[in-house]
Amino acid sequence: DVKVTQSSRYLVKRTGEKVFLECVQDMDHENMFWYRQDPGLGLRLIYFSYDVKMKEKGDIPEGYSVSREKKERFSLILESASTNQTSMYLCASSPSGGGSYEQYFGPGTRLTVT
Amino acid sequence: RKEVEQDPGPFNVPEGATVAFNCTYSNSASQSFFWYRQDCRKEPKLLMSVYSSGNEDGRFTAQLNRASQYISLLIRDSKLSDSATYLCVVNSWNNNDMRFGAGTRLTVKP
Repeated sequence: DVKVTQSSRYLVKRTGEKVFLECVQDMDHENMFWYRQDPGLGLRLIYFSYDVKMKEKGDIPEGYSVSREKKERFSLILESASTNQTSMYLCASSPSGGGSYEQYFGPGTRLTVT
Repeated sequence: RKEVEQDPGPFNVPEGATVAFNCTYSNSASQSFFWYRQDCRKEPKLLMSVYSSGNEDGRFTAQLNRASQYISLLIRDSKLSDSATYLCVVNSWNNNDMRFGAGTRLTVKP
């Protein structure tokens, strides 16, 4: 059973704080993704990674950075949190190649920035 | 224009009804198509992939129309447990780049 875990289910931070969201997968997947999900907008890709130390910008990378030092772990960093970053953050992983692109999601982190 | 568009609903149907969702996508180069299901306050999970020839999984049928660039999901004999948001997902042939629709919300009532 694929398992993707995220460090927190709920998080409340103040404007200007540095925020770390951690994601770990246990299926040796090459690909990992960070999305945010907002009502009416669906899931929007922030960053993704195909390999250790590798990262690619998604559609909305501004205000975020990522780190992938180990294959199983992909971290999302909000350098200076702002109220418009209040959202649900979802991490996902998938194997590479083979034409199979199913993504497995973590339970999500609901972040509130006050 | 959004890359993947869905009718947000909500669709409110009685148990046993048949309901259909459509989804349109803008990238004609897209190669892979999926329907995900997301329960309230839960993460999305794959419901089914959508193949060119159409495919069926029990009460669920998915269809792809490449010429018109839309995919559909048909649910027959709706159950209360089918209540969820259904996400249309289109994968561009570009290193696992996926685009999600905003979702269609379904409520099945007794």
